[in-house]
Amino acid sequence: QQPVQSPQAVILREGEDAVINCSSSKALYSVHWYRQKHGEAPVFLMILLKGGEQKGHEKISASFNEKKQQSSLYLTASQLSYSGTYFCGTETDSNYQLIWGAGTKLIIKP
Amino acid sequence: NAGVTQTPKFQVLKTGQSMTLQCAQDMNHNSMYWYRQDPGMGLRLIYYSASEGTTDKGEVPNGYNVSRLNKREFSLRLESAAPSQTSVYFCASRNAGANVLTFGAGSRLTVL
Repeated sequence: QQPVQSPQAVILREGEDAVINCSSSKALYSVHWYRQKHGEAPVFLMILLKGGEQKGHEKISASFNEKKQQSSLYLTASQLSYSGTYFCGTETDSNYQLIWGAGTKLIIKP
Repeated sequence: NAGVTQTPKFQVLKTGQSMTLQCAQDMNHNSMYWYRQDPGMGLRLIYYSASEGTTDKGEVPNGYNVSRLNKREFSLRLESAAPSQTSVYFCASRNAGANVLTFGAGSRLTVL
């Protein structure tokens, strides 16, 4: 069952904040976040494990609500370089067979 | 380091033709994966290889075959291409104990 990402797309001005959500109907073991720029390969951002802490990297952080099977990616004070499509990948077990969401396209305007 | 290298980057086939997508990684990773990416659908797993000598089906294996030639190389073969296989294909690898996938640059395949 593919996780549902929302919103499908978001347009921001540089410096604004964004939240991208990933929701699953199944109990999750982990949630992975990747960013893909147009015409390029997806690049790893972070992973959140069941029972783990909220992760963060500079101005990009994420949370994992195990009870709701939801994860959110937070982009603070967005930069032009944040533009791209963000994908969440979910695992129901530690077997690394990720099921991916359809993606959220983020456009940052100067 | 080159990371994950895929060839070819672009390919146009006619329905019924066959072809092989090649993937090689130089990171000594154990696990390798083939995904396809279609607009609005994210990445879908075709086949994966947890270690040299093993391969397993993913979500959408029909119409594809794979070979894990050695630890470095994992190829994807389309025996009789169909228009529904028009897509961008990504190879990825991961090391045991790590949770990060490293992707290749992708191969854009068009089947007419």
